[in-house]
Amino acid sequence: ILNVEQSPQSLHVQEGDSTNFTCSFPSSNFYALHWYRWETAKSPEALFVMTLNGDEKKKGRISATLNTKEGYSYLYIKGSQPEDSATYLCALNNDMRFGAGTRLTVKP
Amino acid sequence: DAGITQSPRYKITETGRQVTLMCHQTWSHSYMFWYRQDLGHGLRLIYYSAAADITDKGEVPDGYVVSRSKTENFPLTLESATRSQTSVYFCATLRGGPYEQYFGPGTRLTVT
Repeated sequence: ILNVEQSPQSLHVQEGDSTNFTCSFPSSNFYALHWYRWETAKSPEALFVMTLNGDEKKKGRISATLNTKEGYSYLYIKGSQPEDSATYLCALNNDMRFGAGTRLTVKP
Repeated sequence: DAGITQSPRYKITETGRQVTLMCHQTWSHSYMFWYRQDLGHGLRLIYYSAAADITDKGEVPDGYVVSRSKTENFPLTLESATRSQTSVYFCATLRGGPYEQYFGPGTRLTVT
């Protein structure tokens, strides 16, 4: 069983603030890490799939980094907007079990 | 259009009844998954399948049965529904390798 931990559990920021949160995972037998954005009453939507140590991926104001040796990935949102409010999930490709997520609320 | 469909989208059933949730994909992705949405736990994996006729348990398999006789279908059966199985159920597919996982629209199940 591979445990994926996410922190913080929830986060409240003001519009325009930049923010980041963490996904921690066992570093042994790493293959790939997935990040998702999950809006209320919708299905999770894939953001990134990360495979290489030191990987950095970017999509608009959202970016992610990966450290497979120490077993963590950071998700960054620059200049948060109210429409960024969602739960952000990560999962290991090994068995596609998800962390509990970080619930982000961006206040106008 | 290609994609994942789930049916029914909404279901109300009584305790003790058998219920089957359907998942169908048009991509022929190798992997298919069933998750349930639980408050405080996010998405929890029930069962997954790496290919037709290959299935494996996830974190919370008790009370559920799956089958995969065809690549495109992955039904989930609640053998005797309980109130604790009230949840939103998501089906997902993965091509295999470091590719994106795609989710269906979800089925909201209420067990009374």
